[in-house]
Amino acid sequence: AQTVTQSQPEMSVQEAETVTLSCTYDTSESDYYLFWYKQPPSRQMILVIRQEAYKQQNATENRFSVNFQKAAKSFSLKISDSQLGDAAMYFCAYYPGTYKYIFGTGTRLKVLA
Amino acid sequence: EPEVTQTPSHQVTQMGQEVILRCVPISNHLYFYWYRQILGQKVEFLVSFYNNEISEKSEIFDDQFSVERPDGSNFTLKIRSTKLEDSAMYFCASSFTGGGTGELFFGEGSRLTVL
Repeated sequence: AQTVTQSQPEMSVQEAETVTLSCTYDTSESDYYLFWYKQPPSRQMILVIRQEAYKQQNATENRFSVNFQKAAKSFSLKISDSQLGDAAMYFCAYYPGTYKYIFGTGTRLKVLA
Repeated sequence: EPEVTQTPSHQVTQMGQEVILRCVPISNHLYFYWYRQILGQKVEFLVSFYNNEISEKSEIFDDQFSVERPDGSNFTLKIRSTKLEDSAMYFCASSFTGGGTGELFFGEGSRLTVL
């Protein structure tokens, strides 16, 4: 079964510090996409970062970067220089190529001033 | 900036009643999706829709559920006879391209409470 697991229901980080959110997934596919989505309170989910499984290089978007370990089926999100606006629910998602995205349960990130 | 809009934001209904959740996807998008999230649980895929037909549906999407794009702008999810376990946040999403290269744009969700 294709599943996505986020083992940290909640994380806290001090403003300006770095935090890493964990995600593991289970698949037998070799080609797929992985995503991190952010959902601020009472707002819609927005895409943070995307990784293609065939690319070995880790994706980076400004302060957001991923550590993609294909063999370990691990896809963690690192947020550097955390800001108050980063406080949100973060969802890891996997796309195996069948018109459906599979999401994890989410990690609530709190940013402390 | 274009966005996906959903109505209603919250609906309370009695068990057994029919509910229609509405979504207006981004206008040039071609792929449409419904997801739901029961409180504290994962976001679950319900159905994807392209070219006026269902592309993929999950085991959750049984005969009680249907989707429609009646007028080229709205995308609706109908639950014919609601059950208590249908209480959840329902998210609509759209994308211009299918597949992992297409960014999903989500609405803010419709919270359904079944009593």
